[in-house]
Amino acid sequence: QKEVEQDPGPLSVPEGAIVSLNCTYSNSAFQYFMWYRQYSRKGPELLMYTYSSGNKEDGRFTAQVDKSSKYISLFIRDSQPSDSATYLCAMSESSGGYQKVTFGTGTKLQVIP
Amino acid sequence: GAGVSQSPRYKVAKRGQDVALRCDPISGHVSLFWYQQALGQGPEFLTYFQNEAQLDKSGLPSDRFFAERPEGSVSTLKIQRTQQEDSAVYLCASSTRTANYGYTFGSGTRLTVV
Repeated sequence: QKEVEQDPGPLSVPEGAIVSLNCTYSNSAFQYFMWYRQYSRKGPELLMYTYSSGNKEDGRFTAQVDKSSKYISLFIRDSQPSDSATYLCAMSESSGGYQKVTFGTGTKLQVIP
Repeated sequence: GAGVSQSPRYKVAKRGQDVALRCDPISGHVSLFWYQQALGQGPEFLTYFQNEAQLDKSGLPSDRFFAERPEGSVSTLKIQRTQQEDSAVYLCASSTRTANYGYTFGSGTRLTVV
């Protein structure tokens, strides 16, 4: 079993819908929780990161972390066709003086105009 | 430079051939990471450099994989005697020391071994 589990999708939604993306994890040592967005043939780009349980909002995006359940979510409000991409959850733990990041499989999202 | 630059963007290698993949990190970024991303999968950690020191190479899949960063800036990932299972996108990322969970990734090198 992988340390980070993420449904690969694909997920297809109409423009304007609220999108919910989720990951579960098993490693209690994870400290930082991140969401990356990856467009086709590009590298991942950091969207949001959180350190503690709770919600963090940035524009149309809300990241949610529940450490007790080992569950994280990303919500996208008013989804746009430009949001079509693969969304990777990622988590990090302290390892030999740096934060070692483990990624989920990624969920492919398509927002249909 | 403005971002992380990787070259070549695409590489086709015959099985058994050696390849070298280059990464130019953001100027001044202390930390440099290599990841391997197979089709439909998330990036998998290969190795980590802090300046010129390779502090973690636990993710390198075999002794055919070798990475270096001799002057603490440009890094090269070398794969010897390539095999079909090495086909993947190889991503390089860099970050500042204090925020090294928020990586900046390059666009990757897509390696196809035929």
